[in-house]
Amino acid sequence: AQKITQTQPGMFVQEKEAVTLDCTYDTSDPSYGLFWYKQPSSGEMIFLIYQGSYDQQNATEGRYSLNFQKARKSANLVISASQLGDSAMYFCAMREGGSNYQLIWGAGTKLIIKP
Amino acid sequence: GAGVSQSPSNKVTEKGKDVELRCDPISGHTALYWYRQRLGQGLEFLIYFQGNSAPDKSGLPSDRFSAERTGESVSTLTIQRTQQEDSAVYLCASSHVEGSTNQPQHFGDGTRLSIL
Repeated sequence: AQKITQTQPGMFVQEKEAVTLDCTYDTSDPSYGLFWYKQPSSGEMIFLIYQGSYDQQNATEGRYSLNFQKARKSANLVISASQLGDSAMYFCAMREGGSNYQLIWGAGTKLIIKP
Repeated sequence: GAGVSQSPSNKVTEKGKDVELRCDPISGHTALYWYRQRLGQGLEFLIYFQGNSAPDKSGLPSDRFSAERTGESVSTLTIQRTQQEDSAVYLCASSHVEGSTNQPQHFGDGTRLSIL
């Protein structure tokens, strides 16, 4: 069974609109962390935001926020006021507490911002 | 720079040749990871190093793949007798010592390997 599921292989969004990228996860470990990374066409993998399973509030980093719904096991990334430079692949990943190092990766969502 | 450094950035070689890819992690990061990313796909875990512990080689796809790391510094990934299916971007990442779930991995720019 997939541990990280990103159901949107591709998305088109108009510039300046907000966009939500979906991520659901599956774990029985009570301690885990969720990460979002951005990969532009140039190839580098850029860390965006982190959410811990015990965090009481949704994580925010500038225009990025994480809509964390623990009971539903979802950790959707929200990008406010999208920009052309947001066009990229976006990956959701999880680390389980018991694993202590391995990240489990989703297949990614290709986001294209239209001018 | 203070980031993860990988070399070469691009490598084109003939089928059957050996290649060596290098990764220089962020200073102070004890954990180092190698991933493979085929075109249009997600990341495939290859190997993990943590300090002086035995590496986790569970992701290496065949015995043609090997990796070494000296202490907490540079790592090399070696692919022997390359095949066309080895063509991919090889990404290296490093992170602080593991002790909780919140340490992000910081990635290099990758080595784009093309096997002719």
